[in-house]
Amino acid sequence: AQSVTQLGSHVSVSEGALVLLRCNYSSSVPPYLFWYVQYPNQGLQLLLKYTTGATLVKGINGFEAEFKKSETSFHLTKPSAHMSDAAEYFCAVRVTGGGNKLTFGTGTQLKVEL
Amino acid sequence: EPEVTQTPSHQVTQMGQEVILRCVPISNHLYFYWYRQILGQKVEFLVSFYNNEISEKSEIFDDQFSVERPDGSNFTLKIRSTKLEDSAMYFCASSEGAVQHFGDGTRLSIL
Repeated sequence: AQSVTQLGSHVSVSEGALVLLRCNYSSSVPPYLFWYVQYPNQGLQLLLKYTTGATLVKGINGFEAEFKKSETSFHLTKPSAHMSDAAEYFCAVRVTGGGNKLTFGTGTQLKVEL
Repeated sequence: EPEVTQTPSHQVTQMGQEVILRCVPISNHLYFYWYRQILGQKVEFLVSFYNNEISEKSEIFDDQFSVERPDGSNFTLKIRSTKLEDSAMYFCASSEGAVQHFGDGTRLSIL
């Protein structure tokens, strides 16, 4: 069965600093990987996805993530944090050929300070 | 941009009562899902639905739960005889391919 581990339930950065949110996955078959963002009292909004092809994927709001098979990782980065980036971020995996369900990590709350 | 809509945004129900959560998926999507998020915990898969039948369900989705697509646009989750531990945010999602689009959720509070 697939699983997702997000290291750090809370991450705090200064405005303008690099954002790095970590995600490691476990899957016996090639995965599809996703990052979703959740603002307070809202649903989950897709930031970016990796399915096949280029391992560095770019998403909305300046975020990007790199799929590293050898490290089973899909870390989310943004070069310069903005106050509006404060939210909860969820990494999710979908196993190819194993149905469509998403398995989510426990989430990382990002705080951006002045 | 088309979106998934869920009603109501907040539902308060007495323990033991039945509740129906409603979702309108994106119109050309064929796959539908329900997830739940207990306060402070991660989002958990409940069930997926395709071609008018359940395609996959989790161990959480027991006989207390059922899903239905009563017409061409709605997708519902029914919880019979609710328990305190059913209190959570319930998210509906739909997809036509790899990406699932989520609604804003229904916050279910069981008293």
